[in-house]
Amino acid sequence: AQTVTQSQPEMSVQEAETVTLSCTYDTSESDYYLFWYKQPPSRQMILVIRQEAYKQQNATENRFSVNFQKAAKSFSLKISDSQLGDAAMYFCAYSIAGGTSYGKLTFGQGTILTVHP
Amino acid sequence: DTGVSQDPRHKITKRGQNVTFRCDPISEHNRLYWYRQTLGQGPEFLTYFQNEAQLEKSRLLSDRFSAERPKGSFSTLEIQRTEQGDSAMYLCASSLGLASSGEQFFGPGTRLTVL
Repeated sequence: AQTVTQSQPEMSVQEAETVTLSCTYDTSESDYYLFWYKQPPSRQMILVIRQEAYKQQNATENRFSVNFQKAAKSFSLKISDSQLGDAAMYFCAYSIAGGTSYGKLTFGQGTILTVHP
Repeated sequence: DTGVSQDPRHKITKRGQNVTFRCDPISEHNRLYWYRQTLGQGPEFLTYFQNEAQLEKSRLLSDRFSAERPKGSFSTLEIQRTEQGDSAMYLCASSLGLASSGEQFFGPGTRLTVL
């Protein structure tokens, strides 16, 4: 079974600084997707960034980028120029890329990010 | 289209009662997922539909839980004989299936409290 582990229950960062959230996962599949989702307090979860396992290039979305290390099964999220609106619970998630279970997300435990002004 | 909606947003019930939640996905999405999230934890997969067919159910989904998606549109999740351990946020998400590259769009959730 696939597992996703986020070892940092809480992280904090100063506004305008950079922070990195860690995630490791375990799978025997070769083709899969990895995601970072953001869940602000009392608001719905939204996708931050997505990485396809067959792509070696790390995904980037504006101030958000990932460091995908497939051999090490590591998938960290870097937030640059942190803003107050980045404060939220961040979840790392995994999905197989095909088959019956395609799309089913396995989530990590989450990391609460606090941004200090 | 305003995204995935869920109703009710909050439900308080007494142990032993039955409850039903509704999810309306984004209209063109053929896949619909249900997850359960307890406080401070990541969501856990419960079940999903492709159109009206329920394709997979988690072992978390006991016999007291049932989900439907008639006509491949909205979905309902019913919990019979609720227990205090059922207290959680129930999240619904939808996607375009294989055309989506895995991205799911989440609703605001239904928070269930069982007294």
